[in-house]
Order: sequence, then structure tokens, then C-alpha cells
Amino acid sequence: EAGVAQSPRYKIIEKRQSVAFWCNPISGHATLYWYQQILGQGPKLLIQFQNNGVVDDSQLPKDRFSAERLKGVDSTLKIQPAKLEDSAVYLCASSLWRATEAFFGQGTRLTVV
Amino acid sequence: QQQVKQSPQSLIVQKGGISIINCAYENTAFDYFPWYQQFPGKGPALLIAIRPDVSEKKEGRFTISFNKSAKQFSLHIMDSQPGDSATYFCATTGGGADGLTFGKGTHLIIQP
Repeated sequence: EAGVAQSPRYKIIEKRQSVAFWCNPISGHATLYWYQQILGQGPKLLIQFQNNGVVDDSQLPKDRFSAERLKGVDSTLKIQPAKLEDSAVYLCASSLWRATEAFFGQGTRLTVV
Repeated sequence: QQQVKQSPQSLIVQKGGISIINCAYENTAFDYFPWYQQFPGKGPALLIAIRPDVSEKKEGRFTISFNKSAKQFSLHIMDSQPGDSATYFCATTGGGADGLTFGKGTHLIIQP
């Protein structure tokens, strides 16, 4: 079974630029999460989708971050404009349904300079 | 507000020894307590998980001990091996929320 796919693996941008990350969840998984993992810390939930609807975006900095999951499959997370403190690994995870085991992708490491 | 407190931050154990990592949570509505293992450059992977209706769960060399009254749970790795060297995260969820709240992680090194 293929795992959660993310791209790109690495991205370096200058502050105030925009960036987008892509996630393809495990086939058939209805729930998709985006997490932010700052170096030396545990992942922090940014947003949760159930199919193509948002379930929880309470910790998403909506002034600069946006995410969508069109057609309830792939998802993109965008940052515009980026700040230095956005440097982190952005992890996508999916689960079969709500409150079931979450499987993580390898993440996208973002460096903002 | 840190809802999950994990300790120690780092741990060095000799091969064959027991590794113990502890977590404490605050929200009594939490009802799912997983442990994740993360290797450098990889995403976290579920290791073992417990629900509050049991006090202990064992899977191979990995055991979760759960103390509901103290709001604490711990991971025990028996016969620790160099391949267990990784960062371990406790997490919780529940109370209507599905997203995981993670601890800050424990960097475990198993010395040969």
C-alpha cells in the first residue's frame, strides 16, 4: 500500500515570498491533516479536512496560511507571505476516518531566509 | 498552553536495557494516547497506542502504562536495541477533536 506522498521534499525561499506544498493521502482515506513541526518540537496541527470540508483550522494562521482539498483527495497548503518563523517541516497525514490511526508523509522541509 | 508534557528531553540507554519515557496530560476529555517514533528525515510512525479503559498494553518489546487518576502515561522499551535510537513523541486526542496534540519529544540513543 502506497503511503502519504508529499512534495517537494525541500524548499528554500526568501521572506515575504509565497510557497505551496502538495499532499497525496493514502487511497481511500477521508481525513487529511497538515501539521507544522519546528525543529526540536513535536508536530502541531494546522488544519484537518474530512473529505473536502474543513473540520478544524483553529490553529492555522489564516492571515498568511491557506489550505484546500479539492475533490476530497489531494491537498495543498500555501504560505503567503512567508516569515522567518515559518521555517519548519510541514507534515501531511491521513486516516481512514476521523479518530483512527493517522499515517504521516515524510514532510516538506521549508527554510525561509 | 502545553497540554502534554513529555520527559526526559533526551535519554541514553545501554543496549539490552529498559528505556522509559513519561508523559502527563491535562485535559480529562482525552481518550486516545498513542506513541510515535520518528527517524531523521522521516515522518512520525505510530508505535503503540492505548485507550483509557485499560491500564497497560504490550506489543512485543514496547509497553504503554496508563494511570488515569494521575493523568500520566509512559512508554517502556524492553531489551533496547541500537535500531530503537530515534525521537519518540507521546500524543493525545479526544474530547471531540481528532487532531493529535504532541509532546515535545524524547531523543533516545541506545549505545551498543
